[in-house]
Amino acid sequence: GDSVTQMEGPVTLSEEAFLTINCTYTATGYPSLFWYVQYPGEGLQLLLKATKADDKGSNKGFEATYRKETTSFHLEKGSVQVSDSAVYFCALTNFNKFYFGSGTKLNVKP
Amino acid sequence: GAVVSQHPSWVICKSGTSVKIECRSLDFQATTMFWYRQFPKQSLMLMATSNEGSKATYEQGVEKDKFLINHASLTLSTLTVTSAHPEDSSFYICSARMTSGGQETQYFGPGTRLLVL
Repeated sequence: GDSVTQMEGPVTLSEEAFLTINCTYTATGYPSLFWYVQYPGEGLQLLLKATKADDKGSNKGFEATYRKETTSFHLEKGSVQVSDSAVYFCALTNFNKFYFGSGTKLNVKP
Repeated sequence: GAVVSQHPSWVICKSGTSVKIECRSLDFQATTMFWYRQFPKQSLMLMATSNEGSKATYEQGVEKDKFLINHASLTLSTLTVTSAHPEDSSFYICSARMTSGGQETQYFGPGTRLLVL
C-alpha cells in the first residue's frame, strides 16, 4: 500500500545551518506530496505542497521538489532559525486519503 | 489560509464518561472531514472519514461504536468518545478538505488533547 518514509530525528542544528530532511514515498498512481509542520502543543500546519512530478513547493524559505524518478520529496532550507524548531511531517494524498511519515523533530540552537 | 477550529482544546474526564469533540471549518464548507489520532512522538493515524449527510467511513481496527462521528452540516463534524478509558487518552486532530480550482487541500485543526483518568 501507499506509505511515506522520512528520516528519524531528532535533528539538531545551529542557527543559520543548512537543513535537509529526507522523505521518500511509495504510491500507486499520481499522488500529491506535502510537508506539514507541528509546533509544540499545536495541530499540523501546511508548510508546502507539490501536486505533480518536478513541481517545487516553497514557503518561508523551505523548499521541496517532487522527484518521481527517485520517489522523493526532501525538505530543505538554506538557513534555519530557532523559530523553525518543530516536528516536520512528510505526507502524500492518493485517492482521497492522507498518509503521513512518522515525523522528524528539528531542534535549532542559537 | 483556511481555518479549522477544534473545541475543546483539552479535556480531562473520568473513566466511563463520554466526551464530544467538535471540528469546524470557519471560512469554507467541507463536505469531507477527517479524524486522526496521534500518540506521543508518533505520526497521525487516520481514524475515520466524515462525510456530510452520510455515515462516516472508519479505518480498519477503529471501533465505530466507540468513536461516534456525526457530520451534520458543511462546517461541523463531531467525534464522541463513548465510555472513555485511560487507553483512549491521546491527541485527536481533525482536518477538513477544501476544493478550490480543481485542487484539494486538507487543513488541520489545532488538536484536542484528551486525558482519561
